[in-house]
Amino acid sequence: NAGVTQTPKFQVLKTGQSMTLQCAQDMNHEYMSWYRQDPGMGLRLIHYSVGAGITDQGEVPNGYNVSRSTTEDFPLRLLSAAPSQTSVYFCASSPNLNTEAFFGQGTRLTVV
Amino acid sequence: AQKITQTQPGMFVQEKEAVTLDCTYDTSDQSYGLFWYKQPSSGEMIFLIYQGSYDEQNATEGRYSLNFQKARKSANLVISASQLGDSAMYFCAMKTHNDYKLSFGAGTTVTVRA
Repeated sequence: NAGVTQTPKFQVLKTGQSMTLQCAQDMNHEYMSWYRQDPGMGLRLIHYSVGAGITDQGEVPNGYNVSRSTTEDFPLRLLSAAPSQTSVYFCASSPNLNTEAFFGQGTRLTVV
Repeated sequence: AQKITQTQPGMFVQEKEAVTLDCTYDTSDQSYGLFWYKQPSSGEMIFLIYQGSYDEQNATEGRYSLNFQKARKSANLVISASQLGDSAMYFCAMKTHNDYKLSFGAGTTVTVRA
């Protein structure tokens, strides 16, 4: 089982560039989310989705867009990369409210 | 809004000893779940243990146990018989049962010494 797959694993961007972080899950989970991890701050929720066609903002949504056209995929778009977006990004999915979230391997993004 | 507090940035523990990682939380909801995740140096997030707010027994999973004190709003993780492979960052997290959002603490780094 693939679980949650994130691509790419590493990325370097120049300030102002845009890019999409890909996330796919093969577990038919309704709920998917994106987090960023910064030193000393744990994981902070960027955007989440409770099903295809439904997305909402998390704690730190500025500078990021998401869409959910299928149950499987939940891409995260950086519109105009800034050095403050240098971070490790995690995608996660879960089947319902009472179970753990399954995480992808993470994407380490550096914006120069 | 939920808030998770982990007050221990880093801890050292001797191999084969037990270690307790502190976690306190704040929520006005009565129905919620508490989670612990392990993040080794390789970076992946590994689920360890879950405790529901209405569970009467403390959760256990192998060498991991959760010391759940609801009135004190604490959910401490106990790792028994520490192994070198337990060296990692540990995160406490919570979500309420009417909301899919998972809120994380800042994490505790555990270093196991031989």
